[in-house]
Amino acid sequence: AQRVTQPEKLLSVFKGAPVELKCNYSYSGSPELFWYVQYSRQRLQLLLRHISRESIKGFTADLNKGETSFHLKKPFAQEEDSAMYYCALIPSGTYKYIFGTGTRLKVLA
Amino acid sequence: DTGVSQDPRHKITKRGQNVTFRCDPISEHNRLYWYRQTLGQGPEFLTYFQNEAQLEKSRLLSDRFSAERPKGSFSTLEIQRTEQGDSAMYLCASSPKDPQVLFFGEGSRLTVL
Repeated sequence: AQRVTQPEKLLSVFKGAPVELKCNYSYSGSPELFWYVQYSRQRLQLLLRHISRESIKGFTADLNKGETSFHLKKPFAQEEDSAMYYCALIPSGTYKYIFGTGTRLKVLA
Repeated sequence: DTGVSQDPRHKITKRGQNVTFRCDPISEHNRLYWYRQTLGQGPEFLTYFQNEAQLEKSRLLSDRFSAERPKGSFSTLEIQRTEQGDSAMYLCASSPKDPQVLFFGEGSRLTVL
């Protein structure tokens, strides 16, 4: 079955520390992968997608097909990064997003 | 354009009543999605439309749930004979043809007493 796993419900780091939010997926084909973010009192929004290979707000994510992972990383966390982060995939040939359960990132001053 | 809008934002109902949610997508987006989110969970796929055609429906969607997008613009999600387990946030999202990025509404929170 297609699945996205985010093993950490909560990740707390100090401001300026590196951040890694883990995402593993199970899918035998070539999925399209995304990170979505929800800041407090805001709607869910796209952070980045693997296909564009961009860095957004200092975040990057690399698709590792061998480990079926798409971890989100930032070298120096900022307080404004505190939010709920969801990893998601679209199996090829569909338009149906499958989301993980999310990781709450708290950046402490 | 103010983005995807959903109405009502909050609905409290008694078990057994019917409820309907409306979603207005971003006007040029041809795909429209409904997701459900409960506490501590990520959004769970319910159904999606391409223009007015409902292309996929989750097995989570029992026969009490029905969604429509009659003219390929706004969509409604109706839940008949609500149960307490239906209490959740119902999220609508729309997407252009390309890129396949979801633009979410603020959600409609349902509480079934």
